[in-house]
Amino acid sequence: EPEVTQTPSHQVTQMGQEVILRCVPISNHLYFYWYRQILGQKVEFLVSFYNNEISEKSEIFDDQFSVERPDGSNFTLKIRSTKLEDSAMYFCASSGGSGSGAKQQYFGPGTRLTVT
Amino acid sequence: EDKVVQSPLSLVVHEGDTVTLNCSYEVTNFRSLLWYKQEKKAPTFLFMLTSSGIEKKSGRLSSILDKKELFSILNITATQTGDSAIYLCAGVIQGAQKLVFGQGTRLTINP
Repeated sequence: EPEVTQTPSHQVTQMGQEVILRCVPISNHLYFYWYRQILGQKVEFLVSFYNNEISEKSEIFDDQFSVERPDGSNFTLKIRSTKLEDSAMYFCASSGGSGSGAKQQYFGPGTRLTVT
Repeated sequence: EDKVVQSPLSLVVHEGDTVTLNCSYEVTNFRSLLWYKQEKKAPTFLFMLTSSGIEKKSGRLSSILDKKELFSILNITATQTGDSAIYLCAGVIQGAQKLVFGQGTRLTINP
C-alpha cells in the first residue's frame, strides 16, 4: 500500500539554525500538507499546497516557514532561525485526486524536531 | 473559531470491553469529520463521515455522525490490547484545505 514517507525521523538542531524537513507524498496525490504536534497538544495545521503554490496557511505559518516542491516527488518544509518553541513532531500529509481537497488525508510517520 | 472537542481525554478498560469515544465540533461550513488512530507516530485513517445517521463499520470499529447535534461517536467492541492508541477526530471545512483536530482520546486496553 502506498504511503507518505518523511526524513529524517528525528532532527536535533541548535536555536537559530535552519532546518529542512523532507516528505515524499503518495505518488498520484495532488494536495500536500504540513501539520505539527507539540508534545501533549493537538495536531495543528500549518500549510496546504496545491498546483505548486500555497493554498492555505495558518497563523503559525509566518515568514519563518516556507514550503517547496523542488521536483516531482519531494515536498519540503524549511524553518529558518529555529526557536525553542519550534520543537514538535512535524507531520506531512497528502490527499489525492482532482477536487478531493482536504478529504481523507494520509499522514507520514513524522519528523521529531528538537531545538536546543 | 473552529473547535473540535473529544471526550474522554483518557480511558482505561479491560480487554473485551466495549468503548465509546465522543467528538463534538463547532466548525463553520462543516463538510465532513474524520477519525484517525495514532499509535506511535503517524495518524492512520479510520473513517470519513459526511452524512448524518449513516453508520460506517470496519470490523469491530464503527462510527456515526449527528449533524444536528454536531457530534460523532466511535465505537470499538470486544476491545483488544492492539486497540490501545490515541484516537483523533478532525473536522473538515467546506472549501478549506485543513483539518481541525481535537485533542484526542488516549485509550488503554489492559489484558
